[in-house]
Amino acid sequence: SQTIHQWPATLVQPVGSPLSLECTVEGTSNPNLYWYRQAAGRGLQLLFYSVGIGQISSEVPQNLSASRPQDRQFILSSKKLLLSDSGFYLCAWREDRTYEQYFGPGTRLTVT
Amino acid sequence: DAKTTQPTSMDCAEGRAANLPCNHSTISGNEYVYWYRQIHSQGPQYIIHGLKNNETNEMASLIITEDRKSSTLILPHATLRDTAVYYCIVRDNFGNEKLTFGTGTRLTIIP
Repeated sequence: SQTIHQWPATLVQPVGSPLSLECTVEGTSNPNLYWYRQAAGRGLQLLFYSVGIGQISSEVPQNLSASRPQDRQFILSSKKLLLSDSGFYLCAWREDRTYEQYFGPGTRLTVT
Repeated sequence: DAKTTQPTSMDCAEGRAANLPCNHSTISGNEYVYWYRQIHSQGPQYIIHGLKNNETNEMASLIITEDRKSSTLILPHATLRDTAVYYCIVRDNFGNEKLTFGTGTRLTIIP
């Protein structure tokens, strides 16, 4: 069966510090991968998605970036965090032949 | 993607059927109706989806009206673990990667 991992689970970072969140998927190959952010009390916002290694599409302009160095690895990064980057970050995957997305446990980021 | 409208919150007694409505009056012919739920501090969980016909799986049933302008998610025997925010989403499956989550319905199962 497929599983999706995210780490760390929680993170507290000062403004201006760098960020690296990692997501890995097991049990599937060539998945589509997604990064979402959920601000407190709000719905999910799609940040990036990837249909293959090195292929990244950005949905919203921001100071975040994403990379996919391996088939089942998706990384969310920032060079300098802003207070507004605080939120719950979720990674998701879907198989190419289906359309349901399956979410990881999330990373709760607090920028202070 | 078409916009959806859901009640902000609902309560349901444990063991009873929970019926969650969703309006999507601007849905287009190639758009599917998806339901996800999010238990507090966890990632969203896929529940079910459908296009025209009613659907049922081990988690829930999805009833879509004939004009497709609204749908109802039914949890047949609600348990306390079904307390969550339920999201109704409509999207087409042709080259569209985005799932647009609104604010959903906060369902509370009452013991």
